[in-house]
Amino acid sequence: GEDVEQSLFLSVREGDSSVINCTYTDSSSTYLYWYKQEPGAGLQLLTYIFSNMDMKQDQRLTVLLNKKDKHLSLRIADTQTGDSAIYFCAVPSYNQGGKLIFGQGTELSVKP
Amino acid sequence: EAQVTQNPRYLITVTGKKLTVTCSQNMNHEYMSWYRQDPGLGLRQIYYSMNVEVTDKGDVPEGYKVSRKEKRNFPLILESPSPNQTSLYFCASTDTSGKREGEQYFGPGTRLTVT
Repeated sequence: GEDVEQSLFLSVREGDSSVINCTYTDSSSTYLYWYKQEPGAGLQLLTYIFSNMDMKQDQRLTVLLNKKDKHLSLRIADTQTGDSAIYFCAVPSYNQGGKLIFGQGTELSVKP
Repeated sequence: EAQVTQNPRYLITVTGKKLTVTCSQNMNHEYMSWYRQDPGLGLRQIYYSMNVEVTDKGDVPEGYKVSRKEKRNFPLILESPSPNQTSLYFCASTDTSGKREGEQYFGPGTRLTVT
């Protein structure tokens, strides 16, 4: 079945880089997404990458896509305490148009 | 402002007392869905709707019902809530005709506690 996997926790020091990893099973997706959930809030689209790209950079965020290994990563440069949140990798379902398959979410903790 | 709204944001209830969580979107999206979020499990889809009067089960539909009488509204109904339905619930809508396949817009969430 369709599956998206992430590690559950990541702890970094303020100013360091954070790398959140994600693996997925389905390879037909055209867009792959990263959502951010701040404490007590809903999910907000953080960034996305089109499947014909290997890398996308957006200010402090870099998304890397390895289609061969079905591996997606999100790098946050110069991580700040305000980046503390849960980050979800999401991949469109192959079987159900409109549906996103979410990973378990990676809780990023940034220590001063 | 484009948004998805949910009400209530917080709800504490007792086992067996029927409840409804409302969801509304103002983006004219056809596709809407409900998720529950539990620690370590991510978001799991409960029900979805491809359009008015078209609904179907997601991955964890047991104990839930939905309806879609109008395009903008997609309420989630718990006929007889049980403690294992204590969770954080999100409504989402998707522009299936949009440029980015699958991109979803989320409501702020409803934290439900069933005692």
